[in-house]
Amino acid sequence: SYELTQPPSESVSPGQTARITCFGDTLSQQFVYWYQQKPGQAPLLLIYKDNERPSGIPERFSGSSSGTTVTLTIREVQAEDEADYYCQSADRKNSYVVFGGGTKLTVL
Amino acid sequence: QVKLVESGGGVVQPGRSLRLSCAASGFIFSSYGMHWVRQAPGKGLEWVAGISYDTSDQYYVDSVKGRFTISRDNSDNTLFLQMNSLRPADTAVYYCAKIPERYCAGVSCNSYWGQGTLVTVSS
Repeated sequence: SYELTQPPSESVSPGQTARITCFGDTLSQQFVYWYQQKPGQAPLLLIYKDNERPSGIPERFSGSSSGTTVTLTIREVQAEDEADYYCQSADRKNSYVVFGGGTKLTVL
Repeated sequence: QVKLVESGGGVVQPGRSLRLSCAASGFIFSSYGMHWVRQAPGKGLEWVAGISYDTSDQYYVDSVKGRFTISRDNSDNTLFLQMNSLRPADTAVYYCAKIPERYCAGVSCNSYWGQGTLVTVSS
């Protein structure tokens, strides 16, 4: 088994840029996916395959990868972006799926 | 419109069983692997189990191996999770989810989640 490590919390002022990192020993060989979860709601996919956005996700959300660390970047942060963010990875067959511990983003 | 609707949650005593169901609509259910993901109260997401599109393969997190069984009925677009020997640590909201696969492209990379069903294991 392997783990994905995220900072428990980040804070940012409205209009600024938030960056949430995710570390994993095998991430250089696997894709990472990012989800947003607001209280009482199901997770919403923001980024797939490291840096691609599903239709309907604003361009403010982007992903990048550098070796064993991946980063979710949120530009021009808005109050509505306050949520929990999770990274996720899996082996080639999705036979083992793992989530990071989640990062609570607070918009000051 | 894609919908995943879970049912079957509730309060159950330790050691007892429960069967969750997830009714899918709005996408080609039989073409995709499906998963159960849970979230304990106030905690993060934890993948529980996955099943291939054609039922040939099932996968589990170590903590539920031998106790939980994932299955699906593609003729009825339904996903199941049979949970036996339940423990208090299994208390969580259980989500049915389509998670993107490595070789997905375009709309097949979409991810769908239900609203979850709460399972509480307590005496």
